Amino acid sequence: GNSVTQMEGPVTLSEEAFLTINCTYTATGYPSLFWYVQYPGEGLQLLLKATKADDKGSNKGFEATYRKETTSFHLEKGSVQVSDSAVYFCALSGIMDTGRRALTFGSGTRLQVQP
Amino acid sequence: SQTIHQWPATLVQPVGSPLSLECTVEGTSNPNLYWYRQAAGRGLQLLFYSVGIGQISSEVPQNLSASRPQDRQFILSSKKLLLSDSGFYLCAWSRQGARDQPQHFGDGTRLSIL
Repeated sequence: GNSVTQMEGPVTLSEEAFLTINCTYTATGYPSLFWYVQYPGEGLQLLLKATKADDKGSNKGFEATYRKETTSFHLEKGSVQVSDSAVYFCALSGIMDTGRRALTFGSGTRLQVQP
Repeated sequence: SQTIHQWPATLVQPVGSPLSLECTVEGTSNPNLYWYRQAAGRGLQLLFYSVGIGQISSEVPQNLSASRPQDRQFILSSKKLLLSDSGFYLCAWSRQGARDQPQHFGDGTRLSIL
């Protein structure tokens, strides 16, 4: 079956530090990959996506590159802000055991940015 | 543009009481619809998804059920709530078909069982 593994949090950084949140996946076929962000008390918002190998998704200063050879989709940002504090979820779109297409999520990584 | 609405935002219910959470989507037709549960500090667990009216697939055995009486309406129900049903429930929609379609989430319902 499909699975997504994220680094455990919380990740605590100072403002303007470099961020990396690791994500690796297992899937059959060629999944699409996504990063979602969840701010406290809210639902999930799509942050970025990549649909094929070597694609780079980017949004709001965040980037992630679809690496088929390492089955990874690590999230990076060059300079984090306090407002980036949230939980980040890596996800893939693939075929479930039921034969239907659905998203499989990682367990989430909490990012805390200190001023 | 498309929007998704969930209500209520918060709910406190006693053990053994019934449950009905509602989700509606506007601005699109024939969407895939999903219910997820997020336990405190945990990831998302897919509970149900639907590809059309009356078509519901359950991903995990549980105390809950789902229905889709109209194209853009998705309801999560229970006849008798358990303590373990507490959590943050999220509804989501996506376009049918292509694998690169993301899911779009509502703001969630925080359910506390006493």
